Amino acid sequence: QVQLQESGPGLVQPSETLSLTCTVSGASISGSSWTWIRQPPGKGLEWVVTRYYTGNTKYNPSLKSRVTTSVDTSQNQISLNLISVTAADTAVYYCARGKLGMNPFYYYMAVWGKGTTVTVSS
Amino acid sequence: SYELTQPPSLSVSPGQTARITCSGDALPRQNAYWYQQMPGQAPLLLIYKDTTRASGIPERFSGSSSGTTVTLIISEVQPVDEADYYCQSGDSDSVVFGGGTKLTVL
Repeated sequence: QVQLQESGPGLVQPSETLSLTCTVSGASISGSSWTWIRQPPGKGLEWVVTRYYTGNTKYNPSLKSRVTTSVDTSQNQISLNLISVTAADTAVYYCARGKLGMNPFYYYMAVWGKGTTVTVSS
Repeated sequence: SYELTQPPSLSVSPGQTARITCSGDALPRQNAYWYQQMPGQAPLLLIYKDTTRASGIPERFSGSSSGTTVTLIISEVQPVDEADYYCQSGDSDSVVFGGGTKLTVL
């Protein structure tokens, strides 16, 4: 059974960098696709970034200039970095394992972590 | 990028059928997916590729598709079904979520 656990600092200062880690158990991160999604308090889901198993990475256009993601196969972890944060980046951040298919294309989030709350405040 | 439009809220009585719609111009060409989010919990996949139930999801949950609209159908609604429901779609360059529908079971 695949399980995902997000972790991070909880509180980040404005203009600093938000760094989160998603630790995966029950499956190797190699050969899978991974997505970060966030949810501001009281609001809906917002896609942040998807890294396909090919290494190809797609970003939400509104966040692209501030977001990076990477994988650490030795630790079986996926990471998210968001630079120059503001209060608008306050949210619960989820990582999810995606299910990808081609011809025709499909992609959805099959397994989600429980999420980690990040507050941007001084 | 494009948008997916859901009604913000829907109220039904126990035992009735709830139909939650999701509209988007690309839906005739792209698959849609549905997630349930209980208060304080992570989303859970309910339906994928428009109509296929995810593993372990009760048969009361089903999906349909017609043109630019996909619909999540919950038959014999129970109080435990009170939650937020999100549709999702996209192509190889993006993931798009609908704004979510809060289902209230009266």
